[in-house]
Amino acid sequence: DARVTQTPRHKVTEMGQEVTMRCQPILGHNTVFWYRQTMMQGLELLAYFRNRAPLDDSGMPKDRFSAEMPDATLATLKIQPSEPRDSAVYFCASGLTSGRNNEQFFGPGTRLTVL
Amino acid sequence: SQKIEQNSEALNIQEGKTATLTCNYTNYSPAYLQWYRQDPGRGPVFLLLIRENEKEKRKERLKVTFDTTLKQSLFHITASQPADSATYLCALGGYQKVTFGTGTKLQVIP
Repeated sequence: DARVTQTPRHKVTEMGQEVTMRCQPILGHNTVFWYRQTMMQGLELLAYFRNRAPLDDSGMPKDRFSAEMPDATLATLKIQPSEPRDSAVYFCASGLTSGRNNEQFFGPGTRLTVL
Repeated sequence: SQKIEQNSEALNIQEGKTATLTCNYTNYSPAYLQWYRQDPGRGPVFLLLIRENEKEKRKERLKVTFDTTLKQSLFHITASQPADSATYLCALGGYQKVTFGTGTKLQVIP
């Protein structure tokens, strides 16, 4: 049963600390997306990759956020330093450019709380 | 600026009735529109896609319409069941990238 996995599922940290979130996309998928979800803003696209190359990170605060794909099985999202306003659920999703429905498969999310 | 509007108020309907959810957008020319379902504590799950040149798409009890003149999509669930209770998100798609609405919470009352 192929699915996107994310770790950790929950993270509580103090302001100023570095946070790293990890995602394993579905094997064979060539696009990876990072989203942030809050009650107020809904689901916001932070960054996305195609064939491991970053295509768009315009939704990401550049001074503190960074996203990478060191290999096809791992995507990371880092926040350094973290701030209370970063508290949200962060989702990773993967997909196929050749997919008929351009469907994105979402992971379970990382719930981040910055105190 | 680009905007996607879904009814932020929760929609409560009686079991067996048809639920209709609305997605309106401005300043977009999407190539396609998707609907996703999200349950509490989980990631969204894809339901349906409709392309800009299609008027209607059906899948089992689900029906989606897409009116590019009105800039609106309607999402219908017929013979609704309590298990359909969830938040439903519309997403407008361009080249490889989609932009999500904030979602409408549907509650089907037994």
